[in-house]
Amino acid sequence: EDQVTQSPEALRLQEGESSSLNCSYTVSGLRGLFWYRQDPGKGPEFLFTLYSAGEEKEKERLKATLTKKESFLHITAPKPEDSATYLCAVQVTGTASKLTFGTGTRLQVTL
Amino acid sequence: DTGVSQDPRHKITKRGQNVTFRCDPISEHNRLYWYRQTLGQGPEFLTYFQNEAQLEKSRLLSDRFSAERPKGSFSTLEIQRTEQGDSAMYLCASGRADTQYFGPGTRLTVL
Repeated sequence: EDQVTQSPEALRLQEGESSSLNCSYTVSGLRGLFWYRQDPGKGPEFLFTLYSAGEEKEKERLKATLTKKESFLHITAPKPEDSATYLCAVQVTGTASKLTFGTGTRLQVTL
Repeated sequence: DTGVSQDPRHKITKRGQNVTFRCDPISEHNRLYWYRQTLGQGPEFLTYFQNEAQLEKSRLLSDRFSAERPKGSFSTLEIQRTEQGDSAMYLCASGRADTQYFGPGTRLTVL
């Protein structure tokens, strides 16, 4: 069974304190790995898609990387507006449809 | 705004009643997805349409749930004889390729 595990469950950072969120996955074959940001009461907002080990994507203070077993979302010098839940999801080869999500990491950035 | 829209945003109903939700995808997207999300969990896949064809259904989608996408445009998700366990956020997403873009969700509360 395809599984996605995110850690930590919650993370509290001070503004400017860089850190990384982890997403480990066990799938029969990876088609793509996706990162989303979700604010309370809202739908997930797309951030990145990664397709192959070694691939990296960047957007503002966020950088996503991918290995054969896990992905990292690096947050550099975070600001309070980066506070949200970050969700990781995988799409499996042969099923060009559903995403299987982890439970997310709740990030809080304080002044 | 040309994003995915969902209606209503909130629905409170009594156990045993039927409810219907609507999703309007981004206009050029031929793929449409429904997910369900409960508190503290990631979204769980329910069903997938390509144009008007329903190509995949999760085993989570019991006989009480039905989804349609007439003419490959908007989609509806109906829940018959609602139960308290149906209380959740129902999310719709659309896409043209692998990436899925989510709407704001419909929060269902079953009393």
